[in-house]
Formats: sequence, C-alpha cells, structure tokens
Amino acid sequence: QKEVEQDPGPLSVPEGAIVSLNCTYSNSAFQYFMWYRQYSRKGPELLMYTYSSGNKEDGRFTAQVDKSSKYISLFIRDSQPSDSATYLCAMYSSRDDKIIFGKGTRLHILP
Amino acid sequence: DSGVTQTPKHLITATGQRVTLRCSPRSGDLSVYWYQQSLDQGLQFLIQYYNGEERAKGNILERFSAQQFPDLHSELNLSSLELGDSALYFCASSETKNPEYEQYFGPGTRLTVT
Repeated sequence: QKEVEQDPGPLSVPEGAIVSLNCTYSNSAFQYFMWYRQYSRKGPELLMYTYSSGNKEDGRFTAQVDKSSKYISLFIRDSQPSDSATYLCAMYSSRDDKIIFGKGTRLHILP
Repeated sequence: DSGVTQTPKHLITATGQRVTLRCSPRSGDLSVYWYQQSLDQGLQFLIQYYNGEERAKGNILERFSAQQFPDLHSELNLSSLELGDSALYFCASSETKNPEYEQYFGPGTRLTVT
C-alpha cells in the first residue's frame, strides 16, 4: 500500500462548480497536511497548510483533515478557469522526519 | 516568481554522463530541498540542506549527491546517468529547517537522458 494515494484525474468541471480533491494515506504519524498547486511548466506553490484534524478556510479554498479515516480534502468554491492546474497533497511526520507528496490531480475548469 | 532560481532550464545528455544542477534560494532562506518529479513517481523528496549541513535524506540514489555552499546556493550532482533519471528536478527553499512550513519552489530543470 502506498503511503499517500491521490487520484491523478484529469478532473473536468464547469466554471462556478464546487471542486473536491482528495488524498488518502496510511501512515498515522503524519501530523502536517499541505496542498500545493502546480501550473503547467512551473514549480509547486503552497495553497493550504493544516495541522492535525479539522478544517481550515482561506477565501474560496477549504482544507479538511480527518485523521481517524486518514483522509484529507481540498474544496474549491466558485471555481475559475485560473484554478486549472495540478493539485498535490503533501504530508509530513516529525516523528519519521519524512515529507511525502501525492502524485497530483489534474484539474480543468471549463469556461 | 518564487525568488528561487535554477539553472539550467533544460539539459540533454547521454547515459553514463554526469551533470550538475544549480539552485539559488530566496534571499534569507537557509534550507534548500531537492525533488525529482516524474510522471510515474510524482514528486519525490531527495535531500535537504540547512545552513550548509545535510539535514534530511529521502529517496536519493547513491549516484546522486548534493551540497550547499557558504553563500547558501546548492548543487545537485547526478552521475552515471540512466534513461530512468530523465525527469524534472526542482529545488525549493524555506526559512526554517522544518519541511512542513512553506517551501518556495524554483522553476525546475528538465533533464533528458538519451
């Protein structure tokens, strides 16, 4: 079983829709959960950062962590064509001193 | 623009050769991370340096090595190159030694091994 699983997509949704992106993981030691956005031919950039379980909201973006299910989500409200990118989840365990990225989900927002 | 620079942007070389990738971190950042990104493996952490010292190692092959210099720029050396080493190599930098905090990624170096 891979430590982090992420559906590669592509996921195509119409502009204005709510997008849900997800990752599952197997290592219960992960405490820090991040979402990075990567545009084509660019490096990833940090979108959201959460510690432990719970929700965090930043504008149109909401990150959710459910440690009991080992499941994290990123919701994008009122999606825009400029949100079209690859979204990578990332997780870090201070116990193992290990950072792992998901393979990324390609998202297309259709105008 | 993240403030992290990487050179060269593209590199084409033959199997068995050795190459050096260079990274300049954002001003003031002490940590430099190296990652390899390929279609089948995704983004894989290779190695981290903090203020000139190796801090953490990930899935870095023995044929690969890195260092961080006193001016904080870093180089990743890849030797005895194989076709499977073809990938995008990213450098990232951050203020602290903690990988969970924001890392600023450079534009990457695309390596093609023929």
